[in-house]
Amino acid sequence: NAGVTQTPKFQVLKTGQSMTLQCAQDMNHEYMSWYRQDPGMGLRLIHYSVGAGITDQGEVPNGYNVSRSTTEDFPLRLLSAAPSQTSVYFCASRGVNTGELFFGEGSRLTVL
Amino acid sequence: AQTVTQSQPEMSVQEAETVTLSCTYDTSESDYYLFWYKQPPSRQMILVIRQEAYKQQNATENRFSVNFQKAAKSFSLKISDSQLGDAAMYFCAYRTYPLNYGGSQGNLIFGKGTKLSVKP
Repeated sequence: NAGVTQTPKFQVLKTGQSMTLQCAQDMNHEYMSWYRQDPGMGLRLIHYSVGAGITDQGEVPNGYNVSRSTTEDFPLRLLSAAPSQTSVYFCASRGVNTGELFFGEGSRLTVL
Repeated sequence: AQTVTQSQPEMSVQEAETVTLSCTYDTSESDYYLFWYKQPPSRQMILVIRQEAYKQQNATENRFSVNFQKAAKSFSLKISDSQLGDAAMYFCAYRTYPLNYGGSQGNLIFGKGTKLSVKP
């Protein structure tokens, strides 16, 4: 029972590098989202998707790009990493008209 | 816009005692969900308890219960018989009831969290 799978779990980047955080879910959930967690800030929404081909911005979208070509996958792309993007990133999904959000295990990203 | 406020950045409780974590929220909606999530040092986000706003009865899950005061927009979490494994960050979260599934209404809004320590 995989649930929501995020990779990689840890990553160190240099300023200006690009990378993609992968997220996959096997629960056939329509809704998927990306959050970042910073000390004292809680979890803040970056981008979300309500279905394949549909994405929208959350509270802190700058510097991030997403796409949703399939129901299962929702990758998060950092086009040019900045130290301000050092954070823990969570992918989460839920089904239609259900409340509970299922989270991946998180990815710790450090940008030097 | 909806907001969620957790006014206690840190709390401490003695093992086997009871502790209450506070959460208030601001919304103009009448139907919504409220949640408490636990995040232990492993970083995993674990759902502790959920409450639908239309239900007057407070939700309970074993040692965890809530005091939901809709008029006051308050949603506190009570942990009874605290155990060492309860030590974690606790997040309160809000979500509009899915009258309109599309759009931002389906997003979960989190408070900044309360770090709970349990003393042996």
